[in-house]
Amino acid sequence: GDSVTQMEGPVTLSEEAFLTINCTYTATGYPSLFWYVQYPGEGLQLLLKATKADDKGSNKGFEATYRKETTSFHLEKGSVQVSDSAVYFCAFPSNTGKLIFGQGTTLQVKP
Amino acid sequence: KAGVTQTPRYLIKTRGQQVTLSCSPISGHRSVSWYQQTPGQGLQFLFEYFSETQRNKGNFPGRFSGRQFSNSRSEMNVSTLELGDSALYLCASSLVDGTTDTQYFGPGTRLTVL
Repeated sequence: GDSVTQMEGPVTLSEEAFLTINCTYTATGYPSLFWYVQYPGEGLQLLLKATKADDKGSNKGFEATYRKETTSFHLEKGSVQVSDSAVYFCAFPSNTGKLIFGQGTTLQVKP
Repeated sequence: KAGVTQTPRYLIKTRGQQVTLSCSPISGHRSVSWYQQTPGQGLQFLFEYFSETQRNKGNFPGRFSGRQFSNSRSEMNVSTLELGDSALYLCASSLVDGTTDTQYFGPGTRLTVL
């Protein structure tokens, strides 16, 4: 069935470090892929998306490339800031429209 | 353009009571979905409404219900509250179809059941 697997957290980094959060998916067909971010006490915000294979989504210095061959959509950022501390969710819509989420990866960035 | 709004932001209820949560989608969006977020189960799909009709439903008991109005605003209701219903309830809106349109989330309603 449809599923998303994200790397276990928490991920703890120092400011300006390089970030990678792994995401792999199992889906029927080739759905759009999304990264959402949740800051403490808030709802989910769309971070970036990619709609087809080899598309690269980017926003606020974050990037992710839709890899059909490896069914992956890893999130990267070259230099993290303390303000990036949050929970990150990888997701895609099932063929009924409901979003299939990973379990979330908590990122803690220390000054 | 205003985002998805949810009211109230916080609720405290006791077991056995019922509660109604409200969601106003982004202007022009006609599909509204509801999700429950808990530390143990993560994000789980409750239901989706489009044109005042429930189009999809998740695996929740009948105590969870919803509706959508002609202006696309949606409400969800939980009756006979249980302790396990304590969660963050998130509403998401999309233009027409969540399979092809991006879903945008509101800030959520934090429900605490005592």
